[in-house]
Amino acid sequence: KQEVTQIPAALSVPEGENLVLNCSFTDSAIYNLQWFRQDPGKGLTSLLLIQSSQREQTSGRLNASLDKSSGRSTLYIAASQPGDSATYLCAVPQGGSEKLVFGKGTKLTVNP
Amino acid sequence: ETGVTQSPTHLIKTRGQQVTLRCSSQSGHNTVSWYQQALGQGPQFIFQYYREEENGRGNFPPRFSGLQFPNYSSELNVNALELDDSALYLCASSLDPINNSPLHFGNGTRLTVT
Repeated sequence: KQEVTQIPAALSVPEGENLVLNCSFTDSAIYNLQWFRQDPGKGLTSLLLIQSSQREQTSGRLNASLDKSSGRSTLYIAASQPGDSATYLCAVPQGGSEKLVFGKGTKLTVNP
Repeated sequence: ETGVTQSPTHLIKTRGQQVTLRCSSQSGHNTVSWYQQALGQGPQFIFQYYREEENGRGNFPPRFSGLQFPNYSSELNVNALELDDSALYLCASSLDPINNSPLHFGNGTRLTVT
């Protein structure tokens, strides 16, 4: 059974800092990993999808890496801004792959 | 291109009642998945519909059921509501049923069972 863990559960940083969010998964037989952002009371927004054949994926100030063998992914946010404040979740497919297994997320607060 | 829309946004029901939640998928998407998100938790997979057929189910009892229509919109029905069913219900659409393309989520329906 796939389990996804995200550390830390919460993070508060001053504006401008570079930061790293961590995601680990127990079953390394995955073919992709997705990172999402969720604003309070809202749905999820897909940020990055990394295929297992890729080592990393970049979008603007976001960079996600994937190390299947160690069961880890990191989301790097450069030059953080107050608008980055949200909960960030990672997810991997399981079973027949119709199902995504999510972590509980990291709640990020960027203070002006 | 319209995104995923869900209705209603909020709902309050009494224990034992039945509820129907609705989802319109993003244009061009033939797959709809439903997730339940309790407060402070990650979303939990309920089931997926692909081309009007159920294509996988999570660890939810049979009182959770669904439908997908020819236009790929979908419904989630929950019978005999329990207090623990209180959660944010999220619908997501995608281009394929194996989640090898990004999921597009709606803003969810907040269900409160009293």
